[in-house]
Amino acid sequence: DTGVSQNPRHKITKRGQNVTFRCDPISEHNRLYWYRQTLGQGPEFLTYFQNEAQLEKSRLLSDRFSAERPKGSFSTLEIQRTEQGDSAMYLCASSYTGELFFGEGSRLTVL
Amino acid sequence: GQNIDQPTEMTATEGAIVQINCTYQTSGFNGLFWYQQHAGEAPTFLSYNVLDGLEEKGRFSSFLSRSKGYSYLLLKELQMKDSASYLCAANGGATNKLIFGTGTLLAVQP
Repeated sequence: DTGVSQNPRHKITKRGQNVTFRCDPISEHNRLYWYRQTLGQGPEFLTYFQNEAQLEKSRLLSDRFSAERPKGSFSTLEIQRTEQGDSAMYLCASSYTGELFFGEGSRLTVL
Repeated sequence: GQNIDQPTEMTATEGAIVQINCTYQTSGFNGLFWYQQHAGEAPTFLSYNVLDGLEEKGRFSSFLSRSKGYSYLLLKELQMKDSASYLCAANGGATNKLIFGTGTLLAVQP
């Protein structure tokens, strides 16, 4: 399967712990996006990479969130000192031109 | 500001036609996308409009009016499997990021 891959698919953690999600985009795609989605809402933009450069971050992204794409291939999204409000589905998407291809998402539950 | 508006829920009957409307306001605009999302799954691409007019793809069609900031998704010959959330998203400029609406949850009834 050559689609966008995300792991872990599910993560349950206690408040205050750090979590990291990984995204492997479609191999020829130079653009990578992270979104967050909560129940009944559409995906909310978090950050965007073109190759290894992080070109845009949402103002909603607090300093507890950090994302990297060190070699312009896979990306990681780390959340430090998790809070219950961080519980959501974290979606990764990649593209080459216009259309975004989404992964299955990583569901985070903070207890 | 950037804003995407679409109805929260719609109900339709199997075999019928349904139109899901979307209005948008974005600071930049490179096109309008529609995605389908079944519960617990990733959004999947349905259609893309960058010029005014109607794009038809099988049972699904999408329309765009850039001057009115308006789009709709038309689903014909509805099937039970079409029950899903339909997300309207505007391409907001240089980064090609998509700004999504809240989604329209469509329930198809027998």
